Amino acid sequence: EPEVTQTPSHQVTQMGQEVILRCVPISNHLYFYWYRQILGQKVEFLVSFYNNEISEKSEIFDDQFSVERPDGSNFTLKIRSTKLEDSAMYFCASSEGWGLSGNTIYFGEGSWLTVV
Amino acid sequence: AQTVTQSQPEMSVQEAETVTLSCTYDTSESDYYLFWYKQPPSRQMILVIRQEAYKQQNATENRFSVNFQKAAKSFSLKISDSQLGDAAMYFCALGAQKLVFGQGTRLTINP
Repeated sequence: EPEVTQTPSHQVTQMGQEVILRCVPISNHLYFYWYRQILGQKVEFLVSFYNNEISEKSEIFDDQFSVERPDGSNFTLKIRSTKLEDSAMYFCASSEGWGLSGNTIYFGEGSWLTVV
Repeated sequence: AQTVTQSQPEMSVQEAETVTLSCTYDTSESDYYLFWYKQPPSRQMILVIRQEAYKQQNATENRFSVNFQKAAKSFSLKISDSQLGDAAMYFCALGAQKLVFGQGTRLTINP
């Protein structure tokens, strides 16, 4: 069964460093997402991406964050200058379509980011 | 704003028994989807079941079924014949693409 894959599974970084989290969405999917889950808290929407541009973003997704689809398969989340509060599990997700068209969002296994 | 509330932080059930997890939500949309996701210790988010709001028939996937009460904005998950592998965090979610999640319910299965 097709799946969303993410790398790395776990990354430890120094505060202030740049981090890039990578994702390979399901191949025929057109919409891509990043969600975040701080330990012990609910999963939160960060950003959605379609046709090489951001379609929606939350207030969490400030100027420190950026997303990119550098080639035909990868989808990346960059955090420019990490803060302690960025420590979380970051989930990439993808879906075939948009809106109430019967499409479901499929999640990757997550990338656990620890900022020290 | 859309909200999702799971009022049971933890639930436990004996293996082979049935358990129901509660979820209530609020939205001003007339059409939307509701989901239950399972998050085992590996922390992967696994889709369990999906319900379209315009469908009155409750969704069913093998041992998993929902009780969708649109007027009451309630969406509970019933797990029948509970198995040890069902132990996980369960999240209720609302939306179409931008999902709003509840706080989660930790389900323990007692052998």
